[in-house]
Amino acid sequence: GQNIDQPTEMTATEGAIVQINCTYQTSGFNGLFWYQQHAGEAPTFLSYNVLDGLEEKGRFSSFLSRSKGYSYLLLKELQMKDSASYLCAVTVGNQGGKLIFGQGTELSVKP
Amino acid sequence: GAGVSQSPSNKVTEKGKDVELRCDPISGHTALYWYRQSLGQGLEFLIYFQGNSAPDKSGLPSDRFSAERTGGSVSTLTIQRTQQEDSAVYLCASSRGLADNEQFFGPGTRLTVL
Repeated sequence: GQNIDQPTEMTATEGAIVQINCTYQTSGFNGLFWYQQHAGEAPTFLSYNVLDGLEEKGRFSSFLSRSKGYSYLLLKELQMKDSASYLCAVTVGNQGGKLIFGQGTELSVKP
Repeated sequence: GAGVSQSPSNKVTEKGKDVELRCDPISGHTALYWYRQSLGQGLEFLIYFQGNSAPDKSGLPSDRFSAERTGGSVSTLTIQRTQQEDSAVYLCASSRGLADNEQFFGPGTRLTVL
């Protein structure tokens, strides 16, 4: 089966750094996506990792270790607007790119 | 259009009625996906299309659920004899192709079955 785990909730302070972890146990892993979803809105793409290592994109970075089945999303210089749900999703095998999602991590940024 | 659109945005129906949910993907996107997001749950894959064909229907919860896509564009998700457990937000996404392309999501249809 496929299993993707991430913390349910996290709280951080404006201006700080927060790391959201995601672990997965899947067969035929292809790649890992991070999406951001504000309440009542559609998920929006943040990052995609297929090789081991860190991908940096502005204030957001994503890391992948395929051997450990582990990824994290790093958010720097947190802003209030970063309060949202962060969704980890993987694609596996020859399954047409369908996304298998974790439960999502609800991040609250406090002033 | 500029993005993925879905209609209706909200649908309230009575148990036992049939509903149709529509998705208009981004022009030129060949792959189209349907997901469901129940309250407090993660997104759950339902079905995907490559062109007009649906190679993977494994996520459809029951035979009351069906979907089609015509002209390689618009897709309709139909739920027959709706049940209260079908209440959820139904999200559609499209991408340029398969093989791990970024998926662009629509705003979703919030379905409430009374």
